Amino acid sequence: DVKVTQSSRYLVKRTGEKVFLECVQDMDHENMFWYRQDPGLGLRLIYFSYDVKMKEKGDIPEGYSVSREKKERFSLILESASTNQTSMYLCASSPQGFSGNTIYFGEGSWLTVV
Amino acid sequence: DQQVKQNSPSLSVQEGRISILNCDYTNSMFDYFLWYKKYPAEGPTFLISISSIKDKNEDGRFTVFLNKSAKHLSLHIVPSQPGDSAVYFCAASARETGANNLFFGTGTRLTVIP
Repeated sequence: DVKVTQSSRYLVKRTGEKVFLECVQDMDHENMFWYRQDPGLGLRLIYFSYDVKMKEKGDIPEGYSVSREKKERFSLILESASTNQTSMYLCASSPQGFSGNTIYFGEGSWLTVV
Repeated sequence: DQQVKQNSPSLSVQEGRISILNCDYTNSMFDYFLWYKKYPAEGPTFLISISSIKDKNEDGRFTVFLNKSAKHLSLHIVPSQPGDSAVYFCAASARETGANNLFFGTGTRLTVIP
């Protein structure tokens, strides 16, 4: 059974803190993604990676960075958390021949910045 | 600018009746469209897709219709069941520009009343 695991389901952080959201997939997928989901805005792509050490900006990369040192792991980093980054964060992965129906999402990480 | 729009944030339907969820898009380059279903505290899961060379795709109780001239797609669920209660996202991509870039709508929360 395919699995995308996000290590933290619920986090509360203070403004200015550095935050790490970790994601691991066990399907040997080349592509990995970070989205955030906000009411009325749907899912918006923050960053994606198509290979180890490779990354591409999505629609809303400001305030975020990513790291992909190993194929199975994709980390989202908030260098200095702000209240407007309070959101649900979704990690996803897909194989190289991505066609939309082969993208698998994790269960999400709820981040509250106070 | 939202390229994929779901104008109805919520929809309530009686069990056994038809649910119709609508989605509009603005980018004529989109050629592949998908619907995802999301339960609370879970990641989205793929439901059904349609390529722009078709105008209808059916999978059991779920049918997606595509009207390219109107840049509109809809998801029909017949008959609706209480387990269908979830948030539904439509998404679109343009294979020519890289299928890694999926654009999601804002979501419609479907409630099926027993």
